[in-house]
Amino acid sequence: DAGVTQSPTHLIKTRGQHVTLRCSPISGHKSVSWYQQVLGQGPQFIFQYYEKEERGRGNFPDRFSARQFPNYSSELNVNALLLGDSALYLCASSFLAGVETQYFGPGTRLLVL
Amino acid sequence: AQSVTQPDIHITVSEGASLELRCNYSYGATPYLFWYVQSPGQGLQLLLKYFSGDTLVQGIKGFEAEFKRSQSSFNLRKPSVHWSDAAEYFCAVGTTSGTYKYIFGTGTRLKVLA
Repeated sequence: DAGVTQSPTHLIKTRGQHVTLRCSPISGHKSVSWYQQVLGQGPQFIFQYYEKEERGRGNFPDRFSARQFPNYSSELNVNALLLGDSALYLCASSFLAGVETQYFGPGTRLLVL
Repeated sequence: AQSVTQPDIHITVSEGASLELRCNYSYGATPYLFWYVQSPGQGLQLLLKYFSGDTLVQGIKGFEAEFKRSQSSFNLRKPSVHWSDAAEYFCAVGTTSGTYKYIFGTGTRLKVLA
């Protein structure tokens, strides 16, 4: 079975632009979580979605938004990009939204110039 | 506050030597604990997890970890390291207060000498 897939793998944007990152969960998984991993740090929780509903949000500004589609895939949107948004964005999927093991995709590396 | 501490930023061991990576957590309720490994430019791969039961858990690639509630620790061990184990290792706690999410440590980068 395919694991979690993310697209694109790499992205270069300039300050002030908008970006959309995409994630497809493992087949049968209904929950998707997004994490930001800045170089040299551990991943930080951004959002969790389950059955198309937002279940949680981390300490990120409103420039960050996300949604989940009926097929359980998800998009992460970031508006008005800042240099500090440069990071590896990881998507993780799990069957449910509760106490579960999360399986991570390879990530999208975003560079903001 | 909920947190995970990995005291060692870098560790270097010789191939064939034993390994222990430290992880301490701060969490008021029953912790759900994980170790993930990240190779350069890659996502996170699950090594092992602890939810309940036996405090010594076995994982993939010959890794094991021991949960010690009294010490709030979940250290990762491997008896004999292989060169392919060179990577970054992250300890995480799954929190159940509010949204279930992972809180990660800052990671330990492992270098293996031939």
